Parts: sequence; structure tokens; C-alpha cells
Amino acid sequence: AQSVTQLGSHVSVSEGALVLLRCNYSSSVPPYLFWYVQYPNQGLQLLLKYTTGATLVKGINGFEAEFKKSETSFHLTKPSAHMSDAAEYFCAVIYQKLVFGQGTRLTINP
Amino acid sequence: NAGVTQTPKFQVLKTGQSMTLQCAQDMNHNSMYWYRQDPGMGLRLIYYSASEGTTDKGEVPNGYNVSRLNKREFSLRLESAAPSQTSVYFCASSETWAGNYEQYFGPGTRLTVT
Repeated sequence: AQSVTQLGSHVSVSEGALVLLRCNYSSSVPPYLFWYVQYPNQGLQLLLKYTTGATLVKGINGFEAEFKKSETSFHLTKPSAHMSDAAEYFCAVIYQKLVFGQGTRLTINP
Repeated sequence: NAGVTQTPKFQVLKTGQSMTLQCAQDMNHNSMYWYRQDPGMGLRLIYYSASEGTTDKGEVPNGYNVSRLNKREFSLRLESAAPSQTSVYFCASSETWAGNYEQYFGPGTRLTVT
């Protein structure tokens, strides 16, 4: 069965610092991979997705993620955190159905 | 273009009561989904409808029923609510149920069962 693991349920960084949110998946075939963001009291919205082709994927709000097949990883990064990035982030993988990781809450310190 | 809408936004039920959560999408999507979100568990699929006229169980279907009323609407019913069903419920839709199609989410319904 497909599974997604997000390392760290809570990540805290200073404003302007690098954001790194980790995601590993279990799959024997190349999956489709997604990162979603959830702002407080809102639904999820798509940050970026990997389907095929270039392994470095750029998304909205300056986020990007790199698909590494050998490491079965799809980590999310942003070079410089902004206060507005505070939210919960979900990694998800789809083979037949969408399977979500448990989420990582990102806090930005001023 | 409202996207995915859900009603109600909040609901408090007593154990044993029933209710229906409504979901509608205006993007002409074929597939629709119901998820529940619980702290530390991400989103778990309750039921989905790959296309109008079909519904299938997801990961956690017990205690729920669904109806795909038409292409736009997909409702979730709790026949006899239990405290374990206290959660935030999200409806989503996508162009199709498999492949790399993005799912679009509604704003959620926060349900408390006492």
C-alpha cells in the first residue's frame, strides 16, 4: 500500500531563513507527487506537483520541491521564509487514490 | 466561479443524531471525494465518486454513507453520529479520479459530536 511520511509534525524557522519540509513516500513505481498548503480555518490548496519530466518543480509563493527517485523523497524548500508562510503543509502521493502524509505545521518566528 | 462549496461550516450533534453534509462543485469535474482531517493523521479518504452514478469506499467508510446526486453534488450522511466522528470534513473534486489531476478542496465542515 502507498504511504507518505513527513518528518517532523512541527517545524519552526526564523523569518528570512531557509524552509525545508521533508517528505518520503513508499512506492515501487514512479508516483505523482503533490504538496498542498492549508492556512488556518481554510481548505487545502495546491502548492506544486510532480508528474513527469524535470525533477525540480517550482510552485507558488516561491516554493519548490525536488523529486529524488533513488531516495523516494520529495522535499519542499523555500530559500527565505516569510511570515505569511505560516500554515500546515501536506505531502501527498497518487497512484490510484490520493494518499496524504500526516502534515507539518510551519511556524515563522519574527 | 465558486469552486467547491460545503454546507454547513460548523455543526454540533448529539450522539445518535443524523445529518447530511452537502458539497457542490461548479468546475464540471467528474470525480468527487470526502475526506476527514484529524490532528496528526493528515486527511483520510472516506468515500469517493469516480464519476456520476458511481461511489466507492475509501480508507475509513464505516459510519458514513454518500450520494452522488448529479455531476455537481456529492453528499455525506452520518446516520447515527458518534463522538469518534468529531472531525473536520473536506469535500474535493478533480477532473478525473486517477492520474496527475489536482484535487480542489472546499473550505471544510467542522463537526463536533457530544
